[in-house]
Amino acid sequence: TQLLEQSPQFLSIQEGENLTVYCNSSSVFSSLQWYRQEPGEGPVLLVTVVTGGEVKKLKRLTFQFGDARKDSSLHITAAQPGDTGLYLCAGVRAGNNRKLIWGLGTSLAVNP
Amino acid sequence: NAGVTQTPKFQVLKTGQSMTLQCAQDMNHEYMSWYRQDPGMGLRLIHYSVGAGITDQGEVPNGYNVSRSTTEDFPLRLLSAAPSQTSVYFCASSPPGPGLAGGRTGELFFGEGSRLTVL
Repeated sequence: TQLLEQSPQFLSIQEGENLTVYCNSSSVFSSLQWYRQEPGEGPVLLVTVVTGGEVKKLKRLTFQFGDARKDSSLHITAAQPGDTGLYLCAGVRAGNNRKLIWGLGTSLAVNP
Repeated sequence: NAGVTQTPKFQVLKTGQSMTLQCAQDMNHEYMSWYRQDPGMGLRLIHYSVGAGITDQGEVPNGYNVSRSTTEDFPLRLLSAAPSQTSVYFCASSPPGPGLAGGRTGELFFGEGSRLTVL
C-alpha cells in the first residue's frame, strides 16, 4: 500500500485542455513537493507546499495543499506538449522527518 | 551550473561483475542520496549520507555500498551485479538544514540518471 496515492496513473489529453492530478494520503504531511520528470531525465522540483490550504501558482500550474495536509492537487490550465512528463509527489510526514515518501506518479501525455 | 553530475549515463554489465556509479555535486549540499527507479515501483532509496564520513541505509540497500569521503562525491558501488539490479539509478542532493534531507521540506536536486542493464 502506497502512503501517497497518485491519480490518475496515466492521462492523455489534447493541447489546450485543462487537467487535475491528485496526491492523496491518510497521513498528515509537514510538507509536500511536486516534481516533473521528462523521459531520460531526473525529476525536477516544481514546488513545495507546507501550510494547510496553501495555493501556489507557477505560470499555468496551480498547486494546492489540503487543509488537513493529507492531500494535494496539481491543476494545469491550457496544457501544452511541453507539459508532457511524469508528475511525482513526495512528502515528509509530520513527526517522522527521517524519510521522504514518494508517490508512483502520474504519466501525462499532451498531444498536439 | 553543473548541479548534480552522474556518470556513466549507460552501462551494461554481466552477472557477477562489479562497478561504481559516480555522483558529484557542486552546490555544497550536505545531504546526498541514491535512488533506483523501476516501473511500477517508483523511486526507492538505496543509501544516503547526511555529511562527509556519514552514510546510512535506505529501504533497498542490499548489494550496494557507498562511501562519503568528501562533501562533493557520493559513489555507489555494485559489489556483484545481478539481473535484479537492472534499473535507472538517480543521485540526489539537498541543501543543509535540520532534519531529513537538509531541511524539513526535503527538497531534492537530482542528477540525470544512470541506466544500468545486468545480463
